[in-house]
Amino acid sequence: DSGVTQTPKHLITATGQRVTLRCSPRSGDLSVYWYQQSLDQGLQFLIQYYNGEERAKGNILERFSAQQFPDLHSELNLSSLELGDSALYFCASKTGFGNSPLHFGNGTRLTVT
Amino acid sequence: QQQVKQSPQSLIVQKGGISIINCAYENTAFDYFPWYQQFPGKGPALLIAIRPDVSEKKEGRFTISFNKSAKQFSLHIMDSQPGDSATYFCAASPPSNSGGYNKLIFGAGTRLAVHP
Repeated sequence: DSGVTQTPKHLITATGQRVTLRCSPRSGDLSVYWYQQSLDQGLQFLIQYYNGEERAKGNILERFSAQQFPDLHSELNLSSLELGDSALYFCASKTGFGNSPLHFGNGTRLTVT
Repeated sequence: QQQVKQSPQSLIVQKGGISIINCAYENTAFDYFPWYQQFPGKGPALLIAIRPDVSEKKEGRFTISFNKSAKQFSLHIMDSQPGDSATYFCAASPPSNSGGYNKLIFGAGTRLAVHP
């Protein structure tokens, strides 16, 4: 168990809808990362927060947004969903800066129908 | 320059054999090269990692070989076991002082099946 908790585990929704994915990082970890994993794209970095502030952005669509709250949990908001957004969304956390291990949650599987 | 290319896509090995997965990168600024293991229904978990100042790192049955001049690194799994059957991802990261903040860039993954 990595100590990173993601909810829900599964989410099925229709095109055009909006969903929120939630992540609780490991105790003491200030950095939260979001990754998208789809069959044809591998693990794609979306966005990173450190202690409530956005620190790095990857290939995140404008329809997607995220935030990290004072208690350090993070939410990834996906809106105007399209079929192609169906994927596994992973949250990961680490203690601080530098190249220390990223600890991944077990992901949220999003299916857009 | 941000890509990490991984091969093969899939690999079948007999129990007791050696599994070898290769990765190549372009960005010479990368200075951290981890390997992650992912089982179905689980998130990736760090297996072993190396920095470019060493050419090899071994942890149990798992070894990373690193060739800085060729910009390549590989994972060797000795005495492969059915329990090693999983998807393996290589990754690379720039130094944190470049603003990379450990923004890991992953390879596409290799699905390993170890047959008994």
